Amino acid sequence: RKEVEQDPGPFNVPEGATVAFNCTYSNSASQSFFWYRQDCRKEPKLLMSVYSSGNEDGRFTAQLNRASQYISLLIRDSKLSDSATYLCVVNKPSKNYGQNFVFGPGTRLSVLP
Amino acid sequence: GAGVSQSPSNKVTEKGKDVELRCDPISGHTALYWYRQRLGQGLEFLIYFQGNSAPDKSGLPSDRFSAERTGESVSTLTIQRTQQEDSAVYLCASSYGTGATYNEQFFGPGTRLTVL
Repeated sequence: RKEVEQDPGPFNVPEGATVAFNCTYSNSASQSFFWYRQDCRKEPKLLMSVYSSGNEDGRFTAQLNRASQYISLLIRDSKLSDSATYLCVVNKPSKNYGQNFVFGPGTRLSVLP
Repeated sequence: GAGVSQSPSNKVTEKGKDVELRCDPISGHTALYWYRQRLGQGLEFLIYFQGNSAPDKSGLPSDRFSAERTGESVSTLTIQRTQQEDSAVYLCASSYGTGATYNEQFFGPGTRLTVL
């Protein structure tokens, strides 16, 4: 099983739609979770951290389910500018090396006019 | 303030040559990461430096790849005897530390390496 798995998509949705992405992770000791956004031919940028209680930032809502080891990202009222690849990121605790991170393969979203 | 910078932005080399890629992290960031991203693929972890601890080299794909970091500043990634499959964007990221609050990684713009 891969350390972090995501549906690669693409998800093609009309403007204004609500879309949700899931991500599963294999390391039960992971404690930090993030969603990053990567635009075409650009570097990844942090979209939001994912907290245990779930958190919301405007149109974006992130949820964590530790029991099932998955995190989700919900985007409401999609905008054309939301078109990007969304990367799920999970920390990989290590006794020797502190914390490292594993990036999922990304889910591609296209918001259509 | 200044973000993570990388140089060169583009590098074209011939198969068999050595290349050196440079990363300048954000000042004060103790953690530094190198990733490789092939066209249309996800990020592939290469190496991680945290302060003065021994680096985590578990992601380096072969002994042709090596990286160094001077203290908590500049890092260089060296690829010896480059092969065509090394063609990719090499991304560097830094973060303030490893505590849960400070884990956000800030990425540089990457170095696009093309091996002919």
